Formats: sequence, C-alpha cells, structure tokens
Amino acid sequence: KAGVTQTPRYLIKTRGQQVTLSCSPISGHRSVSWYQQTPGQGLQFLFEYFSETQRNKGNFPGRFSGRQFSNSRSEMNVSTLELGDSALYLCASSPGTGTIQETQYFGPGTRLLVL
Amino acid sequence: GQQVMQIPQYQHVQEGEDFTTYCNSSTTLSNIQWYKQRPGGHPVFLIQLVKSGEVKKQKRLTFQFGEAKKNSSLHITATQTTDVGTYFCAGPGGADGLTFGKGTHLIIQP
Repeated sequence: KAGVTQTPRYLIKTRGQQVTLSCSPISGHRSVSWYQQTPGQGLQFLFEYFSETQRNKGNFPGRFSGRQFSNSRSEMNVSTLELGDSALYLCASSPGTGTIQETQYFGPGTRLLVL
Repeated sequence: GQQVMQIPQYQHVQEGEDFTTYCNSSTTLSNIQWYKQRPGGHPVFLIQLVKSGEVKKQKRLTFQFGEAKKNSSLHITATQTTDVGTYFCAGPGGADGLTFGKGTHLIIQP
C-alpha cells in the first residue's frame, strides 16, 4: 500500500497570507490527524477528521482549520499567517475504528516557512 | 490537560553503549505508543503498550509500561548508528488527541 502523502513538501509564505496543505491517507484509512512540529513545542495535535467530520480538536486558534473529503483526503488551512506558524506540519492516518489511540501513520510533512 | 514528560531531552552515547529514555504522564494512560523520527524524517510507529507492567521486545529495543500505567521506558542495548533519531512517547489525550512527549534526541558517537 502506498503511504501517506502530503503536498506541497515545502512552502514559503509571508505574514498575513493564507495557506492550504493537502494530505492523502493510506488507502482504506478513514481517520486523518494533523500535527504541528516545532523545535520548541515539539509535536502538537491540531485536529482529527473522521468520515468528513472533525472529531477532535487541539488547542490552536481558529486561524487553523481543516476539512475532510468523502475519499478521506484532508486539507488544512491556516489564515493570516504569523511568523510563529513556521513549522513542519504532519498529517497522520489511521483506520479510524473508533479511537484516536490507534497507530498513527505519518506522512513526510509539509515544511512551512513564514517570512 | 494531560501532560507527557520525557527525559532526557538529549542523550549522547558511544556506539555500543546502552540508551534509555523515560516517559511520565500526569494521569493514568489506557495505552502508550512509541515513535521514532530520523533526522529530516517523520515519526514512525514502533510499538504500543496496553497492559500494566507490560514488557515488549523488538530485537535490541525493550519497552516497558509501568504498573500504575503512568510511566514507560524504552531501552536500546548496544546502540548502533542506525539508532540515531528522536524517540517519542505518546499517550491518548482524549479531546486533545494523541499527546506526545517532547522526545529524546539520541546522538551516537562512533
């Protein structure tokens, strides 16, 4: 099976702009989670989608949003970018049998740099 | 919310030495997972522990889950250069999703 794919892999934006990141989960996986990874804060949970519905949400401002499509592909959007949003954004998929505690299969990530 | 503390933050070892990283939670965990992230890579699942006092082995890696299900450890015997990376523990965070520790960076000197 193909792994989790994320596009784009690298992105440079300026403050105030918005960005959309895309994630394609492993075939058959219905749950997609997003994480932000920075050197200072480590891996932080953003949100999780299952069957096109946001099932869990981390402690991030409303500028961070996401959605999931009927084919389980997911996008996350960050509006009004700030310098502190520079990070590696990781998407992870899991079968989605009902709990967030399933094994997470991570994609390669999108490295976002905000100037 | 739940916190997962991991120590040490960095560990330098000579190749062939053993390595241990420890994970402590402020609350009882139903299960704990361990991931490894190579430099420039993404986290890769290693193992999940569920039972109190559980010990699992993967070749040179030994994982333990504490009796109270609030702590866990990963021990690597006779480290090799391929073991370089950051090791994360993660516990279920309920509404917060998976809660990851900050990770232990393993640096191996040949």
